[in-house]
Amino acid sequence: AQSVTQPDIHITVSEGASLELRCNYSYGATPYLFWYVQSPGQGLQLLLKYFSGDTLVQGIKGFEAEFKRSQSSFNLRKPSVHWSDAAEYFCAVGTGNQFYFGTGTSLTVIP
Amino acid sequence: EAGVAQSPRYKIIEKRQSVAFWCNPISGHATLYWYQQILGQGPKLLIQFQNNGVVDDSQLPKDRFSAERLKGVDSTLKIQPAKLEDSAVYLCASSLVSGTSGRGNEQFFGPGTRLTVL
Repeated sequence: AQSVTQPDIHITVSEGASLELRCNYSYGATPYLFWYVQSPGQGLQLLLKYFSGDTLVQGIKGFEAEFKRSQSSFNLRKPSVHWSDAAEYFCAVGTGNQFYFGTGTSLTVIP
Repeated sequence: EAGVAQSPRYKIIEKRQSVAFWCNPISGHATLYWYQQILGQGPKLLIQFQNNGVVDDSQLPKDRFSAERLKGVDSTLKIQPAKLEDSAVYLCASSLVSGTSGRGNEQFFGPGTRLTVL
C-alpha cells in the first residue's frame, strides 16, 4: 500500500538558520509529490510540487525540494528560516486515483 | 480570484446530533474534495467529486456521512448521527483539471470547518 512518512513530528530552529524537513514515500512508480503548509486556523497552501523533469523544485516563500528516486524521498529545504515560517508542513503524494498526506511536521522558529 | 469558501468555520454539537458543512469551490474548478483532518494527523480524503459525479468515496463512512454536489458547483457534507470520533477539521479543496488525473494537479484548500462533538 502507498504511504507517506514524515519522521519528524516537531522541529525547532533559530531564525536565520537553515531548515530541512524529511519526507519518504512508498509507491512502485514515480508519484506526483507535493509540499503544503498550514498556518494555525488556516487551510493548506501549496509550497511546491514535482511531477517530472528536474529533480530540484523551487517553490514559493524561498522553499525548495529535491526528489531522490533512489531514496524515495522528497525533502523540503530553506536556507534561512523566517519567524513567519512557523507552521505545520505536510508532504503529500498523488498516485493514479489516490492522494495521501503525511502526518505533518510542526515547525517552531525561535528568535 | 476568490478562494475556496467554507461555512461554518466552527461547530459544536452533541453526539447523535446532525451537522452539515458547505463548500463553494473556486469558479471553474471541476473537481472538489472533502477531507477530514483529526488533530495531530494529516488530512484524509473522504470523497472526491468530478463535476456532480462521485469519483472516489472509498473512505467515506457511508453509514453516517453523506455528501452531494448538485449542479456541479457547491457541495455539502453531512454527518448523521455524529460520534465523538468525528471531532476534526473538515477541509474542502478544489482543482481545475478534470478526470482522475486531477489527483496530480494542485488542490486549493478552504479554511476548514472545525467540528467538536461533545
